[in-house]
Amino acid sequence: AQSVTQLGSHVSVSEGALVLLRCNYSSSVPPYLFWYVQYPNQGLQLLLKYTSAATLVKGINGFEAEFKKSETSFHLTKPSAHMSDAAEYFCAVSSGTTGKSTFGDGTTLTVKP
Amino acid sequence: NAGVMQNPRHLVRRRGQEARLRCSPMKGHSHVYWYRQLPEEGLKFMVYLQKENIIDESGMPKERFSAEFPKEGPSILRIQQVVRGDSAAYFCASSPGQNNEKLFFGSGTQLSVL
Repeated sequence: AQSVTQLGSHVSVSEGALVLLRCNYSSSVPPYLFWYVQYPNQGLQLLLKYTSAATLVKGINGFEAEFKKSETSFHLTKPSAHMSDAAEYFCAVSSGTTGKSTFGDGTTLTVKP
Repeated sequence: NAGVMQNPRHLVRRRGQEARLRCSPMKGHSHVYWYRQLPEEGLKFMVYLQKENIIDESGMPKERFSAEFPKEGPSILRIQQVVRGDSAAYFCASSPGQNNEKLFFGSGTQLSVL
């Protein structure tokens, strides 16, 4: 069984500030981990993925995430927030044997000018 | 645009009617997943299909919901006798193979039940 917990349903940062979105997972098998972004009235877009290669994963739009097995975490970061980063972010875990993924409840990121 | 296409974007039904949601996967993709997103919640897996086969329907409600992915044409998610609790955004995703690491999502169908 797999599960994902995203800590904080809403995160607000100032433009130019560090973005940190937290994700902890539970998995009985080595996990594949993903971060997706969802803009209003749109589907999900993949930001980055971890598939057992490098533990520090770089994604699109300046985002990155670090897989920490000891902490069962996969937090998403970006050094400097832009207004265009305002969206909802979902962490997901998969066993990798199929595309079936378990998603967290999402974190809404607000960026203040 | 060869992305995942879902239609309609918005669907309004009265209680007791049937809802049919369509999903055309990306070109070359033979694996389709349906997810449901309730307000203020994440996506919940419903069903995983390959052409003409249901592989995993562990997330599908036992009654009123069905899905298919025929040899020709789009995947269909069918909800019979809709109730207000069925109101949600329904997302389809596709992948080219079973052991694929990434899903490509459509823009979703927003179902509203009056």
